[in-house]
Amino acid sequence: SYELTQPPSVSVSPGQTASITCSGDNLGDRYACWYQQKPGQSPVLVVYEDTKRPSGIPERFSGSNSGNTATLTISGTQAMDEADYYCQAWDSSTGDSSTGVFGTGTKVTVL
Amino acid sequence: EGQLVESGGGLVQPGGSLRLSCVASGFTFGFYSMNWVRQAPGKGLEWVSYISRSGSTIYNADSVKGRFTISRDNARNSLYLQMNSLRDEDTAVYYCARDQVGATHAFDIWGQGTMVTVSS
Repeated sequence: SYELTQPPSVSVSPGQTASITCSGDNLGDRYACWYQQKPGQSPVLVVYEDTKRPSGIPERFSGSNSGNTATLTISGTQAMDEADYYCQAWDSSTGDSSTGVFGTGTKVTVL
Repeated sequence: EGQLVESGGGLVQPGGSLRLSCVASGFTFGFYSMNWVRQAPGKGLEWVSYISRSGSTIYNADSVKGRFTISRDNARNSLYLQMNSLRDEDTAVYYCARDQVGATHAFDIWGQGTMVTVSS
């Protein structure tokens, strides 16, 4: 089955840039998206189709995807960005079936 | 904007059954594919099931195949998850999530979740 791997944790100082990676076989050949989840809340989509931001998501959130790695970048990180982040892709490589796949998740701490 | 509200969670014994519901409002439910996603306590997100707009296409995670059945009633703006033969490892918050328009399967609206606890 298809797997997506993320670092368990990333620490960043306020105002600095945080980069979160998501690794999977030929991930760049499919679309990746990213979710933010704060404690006790439902996930929120912050990046889709590798690089696009939904309405209402701040410009400091950006994404890229190439080769085996997708990356979520938070520029000018704020305390409110402290949360768990999950990448996600769709795997249609197994015959006539498809599955959703989430990454292992990364806890972002703003120190 | 749109809203999803889940219900039906609770405590059930191993081997038991439960039916979750998700009611949509604020958008044309029948225009969107839908998903169920779960999150075990203290763990990450796990995709569970997908159903297309008409209900003609369904995909399930290997972990629930043969036990869980996703369905929908577009006239009632409702999504369902019938869960049978429940196991301890099915304990989780279950979210319904709207599949974004297009073929990229990003989930742009999520419900608040409903807790399912499988325990004797």
